[in-house]
Amino acid sequence: NAGVTQTPKFQVLKTGQSMTLQCAQDMNHEYMSWYRQDPGMGLRLIHYSVGAGITDQGEVPNGYNVSRSTTEDFPLRLLSAAPSQTSVYFCASSPPGTANTGELFFGEGSRLTVL
Amino acid sequence: AQSVTQLGSHVSVSEGALVLLRCNYSSSVPPYLFWYVQYPNQGLQLLLKYTSAATLVKGINGFEAEFKKSETSFHLTKPSAHMSDAAEYFCAVSPHNTDKLIFGTGTRLQVFP
Repeated sequence: NAGVTQTPKFQVLKTGQSMTLQCAQDMNHEYMSWYRQDPGMGLRLIHYSVGAGITDQGEVPNGYNVSRSTTEDFPLRLLSAAPSQTSVYFCASSPPGTANTGELFFGEGSRLTVL
Repeated sequence: AQSVTQLGSHVSVSEGALVLLRCNYSSSVPPYLFWYVQYPNQGLQLLLKYTSAATLVKGINGFEAEFKKSETSFHLTKPSAHMSDAAEYFCAVSPHNTDKLIFGTGTRLQVFP
C-alpha cells in the first residue's frame, strides 16, 4: 500500500515550458486535491476532485489545469510555466465519505522551480 | 469566506516546557477544525480534528486542542515538549457542506534542549 505518490519530486523549468505533475493513490479515495505551499502563506488549494470525471477550482486555480479520468490518478498540468509558480506542490486524497471532514492523506511533495 | 488565523509564525520552547500554538477561526457556524503537522521535507499528517463532538480533542503524540466557541479558538497544546516535536504546524478549517480544506499560514515550532 503506497498511499499517495507524487512524481517528480524535483523539477526545474524555464519560463513558458509546460509540464505535468503526477499524483496517484492506491487507497480507492474518491476525493483528491492539489495544494501549493509557499513560505509565509501556508497551503493554498489549487484544484480538487470529488470523483472521476468531476473537478473544481480552489483558491488559486489560474495557470493550472487538472483532469480526473480514473479514481487513482489526478495530474496537475502547467501549460506555460511562470516564475510565480515556483513552489512546493502537494497532492492529497481523502477516504470515501470524508471529503467534507478534511481528513487528508498527503504525498511527499514536488518541488518546482521556474527560471 | 471562512478562514483560520495562526498567531505567531515561530514559537520556541525548551524541552519539557508547555507547547501552546494558537489558532482562531472566522465563521458564524462552527466548522470542522484540524491541526496538521509537517516534518522537514515531508507531506502533512493529521494530528487531530474537531467535528462538533467533544470540545477537548486528543490527538497523536500527546497533543490536544480545545474548541472554544465563545473565543472562536482552537489552540493546540502539549504539556511537555520533546525534541521530536520540532516541525511546522498548520491549523485548518473545513466549512460545512463544502469539499475544501483551508489552511492557516503555519507555525514553526523549535524545541531547545
